[in-house]
Amino acid sequence: AQKITQTQPGMFVQEKEAVTLDCTYDTSDPSYGLFWYKQPSSGEMIFLIYQGSYDQQNATEGRYSLNFQKARKSANLVISASQLGDSAMYFCAMREGFQGAQKLVFGQGTRLTINP
Amino acid sequence: NAGVTQTPKFRILKIGQSMTLQCTQDMNHNYMYWYRQDPGMGLKLIYYSVGAGITDKGEVPNGYNVSRSTTEDFPLRLELAAPSQTSVYFCASRQTVDNQPQHFGDGTRLSIL
Repeated sequence: AQKITQTQPGMFVQEKEAVTLDCTYDTSDPSYGLFWYKQPSSGEMIFLIYQGSYDQQNATEGRYSLNFQKARKSANLVISASQLGDSAMYFCAMREGFQGAQKLVFGQGTRLTINP
Repeated sequence: NAGVTQTPKFRILKIGQSMTLQCTQDMNHNYMYWYRQDPGMGLKLIYYSVGAGITDKGEVPNGYNVSRSTTEDFPLRLELAAPSQTSVYFCASRQTVDNQPQHFGDGTRLSIL
């Protein structure tokens, strides 16, 4: 069973608009963490934001915030005031448990295009 | 501040050849990982290591081998390269502290022809 699902293969947004990238997950472990990474066309993986399953508040990092709905098992990334440089692939990833190697399982990604 | 360094950046192999993808990190991270990313897909874990001398299989280990003789280095070995191993390979490392993100190298683009 797929553990991370990103249902939007591609999204097109006008510059300066806010955008929400969807991520749903599946786990039976009460301890887990959710990560979002950005992959620009140059190919590197850039860490954006993290949300732990026990965190009481939604994570925020500058223009990035995470809309964490635990009961729905969703962890959507919100980018406010989008910029041309936000055009990239975005990956949601989950790790299960707090101990050990904390391996990540990635979704298939969403390609975001910001139009001027 | 080098972080995670992967070499080479690009490589073309013939079917049946072997090669080693190099990965080194200068952050003194115990945890290291190898992923592959096929076109249009997310990353899949090949092998990982929790410290020098300790390695374990990930989701897609077939056709690969790893070793971890030092904290800094985590090379990935391809034996008898096959077209199905054409992919982009990423190495990553992470602090032992819980909930820290994995830091990725820039990747190696490998084509098997």
